Amino acid sequence: KAGVTQTPRYLIKTRGQQVTLSCSPISGHRSVSWYQQTPGQGLQFLFEYFSETQRNKGNFPGRFSGRQFSNSRSEMNVSTLELGDSALYLCASSLGQPTLTEAFFGQGTRLTVV
Amino acid sequence: AQTVTQSQPEMSVQEAETVTLSCTYDTSESDYYLFWYKQPPSRQMILVIRQEAYKQQNATENRFSVNFQKAAKSFSLKISDSQLGDAAMYFCAPRGGASGSARQLTFGSGTQLTVLP
Repeated sequence: KAGVTQTPRYLIKTRGQQVTLSCSPISGHRSVSWYQQTPGQGLQFLFEYFSETQRNKGNFPGRFSGRQFSNSRSEMNVSTLELGDSALYLCASSLGQPTLTEAFFGQGTRLTVV
Repeated sequence: AQTVTQSQPEMSVQEAETVTLSCTYDTSESDYYLFWYKQPPSRQMILVIRQEAYKQQNATENRFSVNFQKAAKSFSLKISDSQLGDAAMYFCAPRGGASGSARQLTFGSGTQLTVLP
């Protein structure tokens, strides 16, 4: 079974631009969560999607958004990039129902904002 | 809300020896799970072990085991017969149950484990 796939692996953007990151979960998994990892703040939860609906949201500004498609693939978008958005963005997939199960992570997308 | 404290930023262990990583947490959830993840230099987050809070028996996965003290909200990870490949950053992470609001993983600050040959 294929694991969680995140694309692209690396990205360099200029301040003010927007960016879209993609995550394909493990086949059969319906929940996708996104996390931001930085040296200063550690790992922080961005949002979770389940069956195309945002089920949970972390404490991030509205510039951070996401969506999930009918095949459970998810995208996250960051608009008006700031230098502080430079981070490793991790996507995790899990079954999501009926009981909570462990989450499996992709290799991440390293975003650098210059 | 959930909080996690990993009080050991760095630890080292001799190859083949045993090491214990500490974690304390706080949660208002009655139904929750606890996980240990490792993140090697590749940055891939890898699940090490999980514990359901309603289970009294400590989880074991090969050389990895936990000491779960629910009343004390403590969840330590023991690595036996340490191997060079165990070197990584280790994160403790509680996760609320399906019926609660805190379904996301809440990560601690991590413990960087070095394995000495």
